[in-house]
Amino acid sequence: LAKTTQPVSMDSYEGQEVNITCSHNNIATNDYITWYQQFPSQGPRFIIQGYKTKVTNEVASLFIPADRKSSTLSLPRVSLSDTAVYYCLVGDRVNTGFQKLVFGTGTRLLVSP
Amino acid sequence: GAVVSQHPSRVICKSGTSVKIECRSLDFQATTMFWYRQFPKQSLMLMATSNEGSKATYEQGVEKDKFLINHASLTLSTLTVTSAHPEDSSFYICSARTLNTEAFFGQGTRLTVV
Repeated sequence: LAKTTQPVSMDSYEGQEVNITCSHNNIATNDYITWYQQFPSQGPRFIIQGYKTKVTNEVASLFIPADRKSSTLSLPRVSLSDTAVYYCLVGDRVNTGFQKLVFGTGTRLLVSP
Repeated sequence: GAVVSQHPSRVICKSGTSVKIECRSLDFQATTMFWYRQFPKQSLMLMATSNEGSKATYEQGVEKDKFLINHASLTLSTLTVTSAHPEDSSFYICSARTLNTEAFFGQGTRLTVV
């Protein structure tokens, strides 16, 4: 399983763009990169998933360089409600059995007025 | 996205009793379910992984006789905390996935053992 490394915490202000980078140096060929958001006392919520280059949805963008050893979650124009912990996970999406989903430390994002 | 429902959301039990937590995938059939526990200000810690109809695979350090996991169908998994003690108080979260999809998480269960 590819291990991930993220900053422990980040601070931002409302309206700013926030970029959270995740390192995954030993990512495997079949691994996808998935980001989750977690609010206190709630289960994690899926944000975005990608394999390479750039993926964008209504919530965020995910940038993945060609070597795939890192990825950056970009949250445009954050609001106070984006204050949460963000987790980067790396794992095989296509598999014939099952694969463990192991969470790293996550990044605690605090958005201030 | 797909919905995973966990029940109960909160439970308080006396020390020495057992507690069962249910995890249901409401609109999809989950080939794999995961159980996590989370202490305050910490990340999710994987306890076990289970496929429907087979025994769960427990992570190192997790007592399988204390945390009984049953994955009886493609839409239901249960976690039973047996002979609970105060140190078992935690936030328990289940997750479900199918092949080729991301994992979906329940809302979590806050267990307090008094």
